[in-house]
Amino acid sequence: EPEVTQTPSHQVTQMGQEVILRCVPISNHLYFYWYRQILGQKVEFLVSFYNNEISEKSEIFDDQFSVERPDGSNFTLKIRSTKLEDSAMYFCASSLLAEWENEQFFGPGTRLTVL
Amino acid sequence: GDSVTQMEGPVTLSEEAFLTINCTYTATGYPSLFWYVQYPGEGLQLLLKATKADDKGSNKGFEATYRKETTSFHLEKGSVQVSDSAVYFCALAGGSYIPTFGRGTSLIVHP
Repeated sequence: EPEVTQTPSHQVTQMGQEVILRCVPISNHLYFYWYRQILGQKVEFLVSFYNNEISEKSEIFDDQFSVERPDGSNFTLKIRSTKLEDSAMYFCASSLLAEWENEQFFGPGTRLTVL
Repeated sequence: GDSVTQMEGPVTLSEEAFLTINCTYTATGYPSLFWYVQYPGEGLQLLLKATKADDKGSNKGFEATYRKETTSFHLEKGSVQVSDSAVYFCALAGGSYIPTFGRGTSLIVHP
């Protein structure tokens, strides 16, 4: 069964460093998403991506964040200069269509720890 | 704005016990409601959904009924198994396709 994969499963970095989190969405899906969950808090939407551009983003997704689909399979989230408060679990998701009735499939997450 | 409130975990039960995980929501309009499950080491998976008031979503023995009058969507299962141990997320989606999630409730089932 097709699935969304994410690498690495755990990333530790120093404050101020750049990190790139990688995701491989399901191959025929067209819409891609990033969410994060700070420990003990809610899963929060960061950004959605379609047709090689951002279609929606939350207020969390500031200039420190960027997303890219560098080739036909990967979908990346870059944090330019990490802060302590960026420590969280980051989930990638993909869907065939945009409507919420069309299920989003989630990856297992990358745990980012900023020291 | 939209919000989802779930009961705090962990919920710890013995096998074959009855499960209830409470979820209430605040939203404008008539959102769709969802339960997602995350097994250890895996991504969130859609467990069940309901798209209008009084609808009952069900899957794998789990059920939840969309109660507009109490703005609730409580998850229930009559007899839990060890394999049901996971984190359960309640979510809603209104006019946007972007869901609003709760914090998640961890369920631990002992043999």
